[in-house]
Amino acid sequence: QKEVEQNSGPLSVPEGAIASLNCTYSDRGSQSFFWYRQYSGKSPELIMFIYSNGDKEDGRFTAQLNKASQYVSLLIRDSQPSDSATYLCAVLSGGSNYKLTFGKGTLLTVNP
Amino acid sequence: GAGVSQTPSNKVTEKGKYVELRCDPISGHTALYWYRQSLGQGPEFLIYFQGTGAADDSGLPNDRFFAVRPEGSVSTLKIQRTERGDSAVYLCASSLGLQETQYFGPGTRLLVL
Repeated sequence: QKEVEQNSGPLSVPEGAIASLNCTYSDRGSQSFFWYRQYSGKSPELIMFIYSNGDKEDGRFTAQLNKASQYVSLLIRDSQPSDSATYLCAVLSGGSNYKLTFGKGTLLTVNP
Repeated sequence: GAGVSQTPSNKVTEKGKYVELRCDPISGHTALYWYRQSLGQGPEFLIYFQGTGAADDSGLPNDRFFAVRPEGSVSTLKIQRTERGDSAVYLCASSLGLQETQYFGPGTRLLVL
């Protein structure tokens, strides 16, 4: 059973809209959560990390974590065509403080 | 260097051959990781080094895969008797230490014919 689940998409939004990307995880002991962006043919690039319940904002990006619901999300405000990429949710599981478990990723397309 | 580097960027080989993939981590990063990413999937953990030792190799698919990091910096992932199913992007990442952010290299795209 996959430990980290994401909607594979594709998710298509118009330029300027809010894109909402969701992720659920199965390990209740998970402590750290990461969002990576991956352009086609490129390696994953860290966008945000979050450790505590609630919201964490960085520019146009907001990560939201709800440990009770085992749910983490990424909101992208004022979406730009350059945001078009696959977004990977990654979890540092409770039993490990080094092994990242990734979801399959959600493909986001921002239409001009 | 400024980031994690990996060589070669692409490798095409024939079934049964031996390949070596190299990773040069960010200077000062003691932790090094190898992941494998197949098409349409997220990266999957292979092995983790803390310093020179492999602290966890539980993700290596079988004994054809082996990795070393003899001086605690550069690492080499070695694949013996390659199979077509080994075709994937092999990603290396490094971090300052445990629970620190992992930074990925550009990857090596391996194609086994």
